[in-house]
Amino acid sequence: RKEVEQDPGPFNVPEGATVAFNCTYSNSASQSFFWYRQDCRKEPKLLMSVYSSGNEDGRFTAQLNRASQYISLLIRDSKLSDSATYLCVVNGDNAGNMLTFGGGTRLMVKP
Amino acid sequence: DAGVIQSPRHEVTEMGQEVTLRCKPISGHDYLFWYRQTMMRGLELLIYFNNNVPIDDSGMPEDRFSAKMPNASFSTLKIQPSEPRDSAVYFCASGQAGLTYEQYFGPGTRLTVT
Repeated sequence: RKEVEQDPGPFNVPEGATVAFNCTYSNSASQSFFWYRQDCRKEPKLLMSVYSSGNEDGRFTAQLNRASQYISLLIRDSKLSDSATYLCVVNGDNAGNMLTFGGGTRLMVKP
Repeated sequence: DAGVIQSPRHEVTEMGQEVTLRCKPISGHDYLFWYRQTMMRGLELLIYFNNNVPIDDSGMPEDRFSAKMPNASFSTLKIQPSEPRDSAVYFCASGQAGLTYEQYFGPGTRLTVT
């Protein structure tokens, strides 16, 4: 079983739609959670951290459910520029230095 | 500000040849990470350094892979001998102590071994 699992998609949505991605992780001792974004043939970049209380950054909302070991990302009012692969990321060691990446969920926003 | 610099950007080599990938982290970052990304396995951490010292190399696939960081501004990942299954995009990333969740990735080296 992979440490971080995501639906690979693709999710094809029209502009303006709301879309949600989910992710599950296997290590119950994980402390920190993040979403990274990776554009086609580019490097990954940090999108946002995920806090226990849930957090919002503009059109993006991240939620964490520790009991179910489940992380989500909600994107409202999708833009064409949101088309990318979204990587769910969990810290992989006690020191918090090692990140374990999920396989990513691909989003394609259509006009 | 310059980000993480990797070279070469593309490398095509024949099976059995030695391959050396290079990375210059962001100045002031004391953590450096090497990752490999493939369609099948996603993004995998190979090894990471803190203050030029290798801390965890459990992700290095086998003895054919080696990594060094002779100083704070340079690291290499070497594959000798290379095999077709090593074909992947290799990313180098750097980060700061206490903030290593925010890793800054270089553009990657796309390696093809024929």
